[in-house]
Amino acid sequence: DAGVIQSPRHEVTEMGQEVTLRCKPISGHNSLFWYRQTMMRGLELLIYFNNNVPIDDSGMPEDRFSAKMPNASFSTLKIQPSEPRDSAVYFCASGTGPDSEKLFFGSGTQLSVL
Amino acid sequence: AQSVTQPDIHITVSEGASLELRCNYSYGATPYLFWYVQSPGQGLQLLLKYFSGDTLVQGIKGFEAEFKRSQSSFNLRKPSVHWSDAAEYFCAVAPGGYQKVTFGTGTKLQVIP
Repeated sequence: DAGVIQSPRHEVTEMGQEVTLRCKPISGHNSLFWYRQTMMRGLELLIYFNNNVPIDDSGMPEDRFSAKMPNASFSTLKIQPSEPRDSAVYFCASGTGPDSEKLFFGSGTQLSVL
Repeated sequence: AQSVTQPDIHITVSEGASLELRCNYSYGATPYLFWYVQSPGQGLQLLLKYFSGDTLVQGIKGFEAEFKRSQSSFNLRKPSVHWSDAAEYFCAVAPGGYQKVTFGTGTKLQVIP
């Protein structure tokens, strides 16, 4: 079991550029979550999917953020255009929802927007 | 809406000493409660969880937590801390169902020799 796989591990970009973060959930898991972690705000839920359908995106900070899950094995989180305040660690997690008892986290993507 | 409070941002304990990390939650019913640990540069790993039944739950790495409904608390404990326990610890609450987990802001644990 390879676990939740996120790429890239680190991303450095300039303000205004488009950033795409990728996540491969654990096979068989049908719930997927995107979190953002910063020193100031801690761990925030951005959006979560169940069976590839976005269930709650109320945590997405603004229209510059979008997330997709085209199939059960892949999800993306896109920021366009990126801003320095988007700098954070972005985590993807998957679970065996709808009664998932445990989330499995990826190692995160460290995003730095200069 | 559910919420979690971890009142201690940073705790320092000596190796071999006992540990208690505090967690208080706010939720209308009995929630699902979790403790996760995050080592530097890593994702979160589940230590233990409470859904129902025995209010004292055992987890991995020698950790335990006790659910106290009257105090809306779910404190994490370990009788003897090891240097490898230095990490950040997150308490979390979920209503169950679609597992919409809300995390606390974390407590960073430092272990001194």
